[in-house]
Amino acid sequence: DQQVKQNSPSLSVQEGRISILNCDYTNSMFDYFLWYKKYPAEGPTFLISISSIKDKNEDGRFTVFLNKSAKHLSLHIVPSQPGDSAVYFCAASGGTDKLIFGTGTRLQVFP
Amino acid sequence: DAGVTQSPTHLIKTRGQQVTLRCSPKSGHDTVSWYQQALGQGPQFIFQYYEEEERQRGNFPDRFSGHQFPNYSSELNVNALLLGDSALYLCASSLGRPTYEQYFGPGTRLTVT
Repeated sequence: DQQVKQNSPSLSVQEGRISILNCDYTNSMFDYFLWYKKYPAEGPTFLISISSIKDKNEDGRFTVFLNKSAKHLSLHIVPSQPGDSAVYFCAASGGTDKLIFGTGTRLQVFP
Repeated sequence: DAGVTQSPTHLIKTRGQQVTLRCSPKSGHDTVSWYQQALGQGPQFIFQYYEEEERQRGNFPDRFSGHQFPNYSSELNVNALLLGDSALYLCASSLGRPTYEQYFGPGTRLTVT
């Protein structure tokens, strides 16, 4: 039962353009959502989060949008840089202390 | 500021053996969570320790057990290893509750042959 889904296993974007990574969830009890970035041979690194009481949160080049009615969130990276190339995980939590992760999207930013 | 550290980096074990993985949390953090990441999958929650007690557990069998020490460091023990236990084991630390923003270590790659 995959409660958090990232349906695009990979995404390729040109440097300077916008990268949009998508995530869908099925559990309406989730009230906090996070994005993590993972480089090879490293653990996931926290990127940005959003509470269910908001629909947008921005931090520099990174913006997360939450659409509760559609149970959908997205991460926008503008402008994309080659150093952004990594695997991005969407995660959710619903009043408990555990994070439920998606399967990840591999982003490649090319020159 | 030391981040989350894990040891060993890599480990090879035989089916039926037992293994212990170790984790030191980020300085100032008091909560440790363990995750299993199989190839091509996202991390899956195993359990979380706070004040030396297991606070919450994911859908893993009793072969998976853990411990937290007074200095907040933690161990993950897996008994009677199966081939399917081969994965990257990630430790994450956080402070207080809720423990949404967790900081991960580099992981221990376990291979069971």
